[in-house]
Amino acid sequence: ETGVTQTPRHLVMGMTNKKSLKCEQHLGHNAMYWYKQSAKKPLELMFVYNFKEQTENNSVPSRFSPECPNSSHLFLHLHTLQPEDSALYLCASSQARARMVYEQYFGPGTRLTVT
Amino acid sequence: GQQLNQSPQSMFIQEGEDVSMNCTSSSIFNTWLWYKQEPGEGPVLLIALYKAGELTSNGRLTAQFGITRKDSFLNISASIPSDVGIYFCAGQGGMDSNYQLIWGAGTKLIIKP
Repeated sequence: ETGVTQTPRHLVMGMTNKKSLKCEQHLGHNAMYWYKQSAKKPLELMFVYNFKEQTENNSVPSRFSPECPNSSHLFLHLHTLQPEDSALYLCASSQARARMVYEQYFGPGTRLTVT
Repeated sequence: GQQLNQSPQSMFIQEGEDVSMNCTSSSIFNTWLWYKQEPGEGPVLLIALYKAGELTSNGRLTAQFGITRKDSFLNISASIPSDVGIYFCAGQGGMDSNYQLIWGAGTKLIIKP
């Protein structure tokens, strides 16, 4: 399944580094999402973009900065992260109408380790 | 806020056994989705439910949207080794839920050796 791709798959970065995660969807969807998945916790929604407009920012620290240049691409820019930010970062896309979300399709994730 | 309780947290099963897991919500949902996640991968959608009482199958998997709209069930019949993984439920409430899904904490399925 290559509907949603994410790069890189693994990333190790120091707390002073700046890096970016990339997501691309090939499904013709109009909404894209960033999630954080930590061990033994439910998926945490970080950001939602609908029609390229950010519609949600669930109290995410400013060291995470999303960018959605078009409906197929989504980036997550990272800077001065903390060790507790180490997690699997998942991108998803869906077709969304009238504030309702239908099935979300996920990429394989980026395993991030902050040292 | 809305909460989702998924149980059990983990299950040890023998190959060939049937498996059941469920999710309950503190409020009414309009959509229930079931996903499976394997190590190192993102969740994969298994079944989507949109109507109360709906029963939908995908191979050996069957899921139901509860009549009360506050719960959903996933059954796996005659489990096989490749069923191992973590199963997540997710749901969405009304129009004010603003594109967001509420997620369960997952049920980890382990095959007994």
